[in-house]
Amino acid sequence: DAGVTQSPTHLIKTRGQQVTLRCSPKSGHDTVSWYQQALGQGPQFIFQYYEEEERQRGNFPDRFSGHQFPNYSSELNVNALLLGDSALYLCASSLHPRDRAEKLFFGSGTQLSVL
Amino acid sequence: AQKVTQAQTEISVVEKEDVTLDCVYETRDTTYYLFWYKQPPSGELVFLIRRNSFDEQNEISGRYSWNFQKSTSSFNFTITASQVVDSAVYFCALSEARRDDKIIFGKGTRLHILP
Repeated sequence: DAGVTQSPTHLIKTRGQQVTLRCSPKSGHDTVSWYQQALGQGPQFIFQYYEEEERQRGNFPDRFSGHQFPNYSSELNVNALLLGDSALYLCASSLHPRDRAEKLFFGSGTQLSVL
Repeated sequence: AQKVTQAQTEISVVEKEDVTLDCVYETRDTTYYLFWYKQPPSGELVFLIRRNSFDEQNEISGRYSWNFQKSTSSFNFTITASQVVDSAVYFCALSEARRDDKIIFGKGTRLHILP
């Protein structure tokens, strides 16, 4: 049973570029959340997708957008990259958006470096 | 506003010693949930425990134990007889009942278990 898978594992971009990160949820899960973890910090909630719609959003600018596909996989897009966007981006899946956060399953993340 | 504070940035102990990781939280809600997660070098967050605000019973799971004290807004985590495999970053986190699908993480404590 595959867990949450994310791709790519590492990515290097330059300022102003755009990036797309991908996530496949754990089998049977239909809800995907994205988190940004800056170096030395805890993960910060970006947004959550369920039924192909953004359901909740954290305190992130519109440069951060996402998408969920009918197979429940998800993409995180970041436009006009800034140096401060360098971070580990974690994807987490759960059975249902109303399920409590206790059993979020996390992927290993995509390490994004913006030069 | 919700907030989680982990005052210990980094701790080093020798194997087999006991170690306690501190967590202090702030919330205006009377119903909330507290969590601990482990983040090994591979990057994924591993769920360890969830506690709801009405359950102040301490919990023990093998070498792990948790001390929840509402009076001091603390939810401390103790590892007994530490092992090298316990080396990781540990995050304390909080979710409020109104937003039980969104977790607020502390900045984490990096734990080094020295052989």
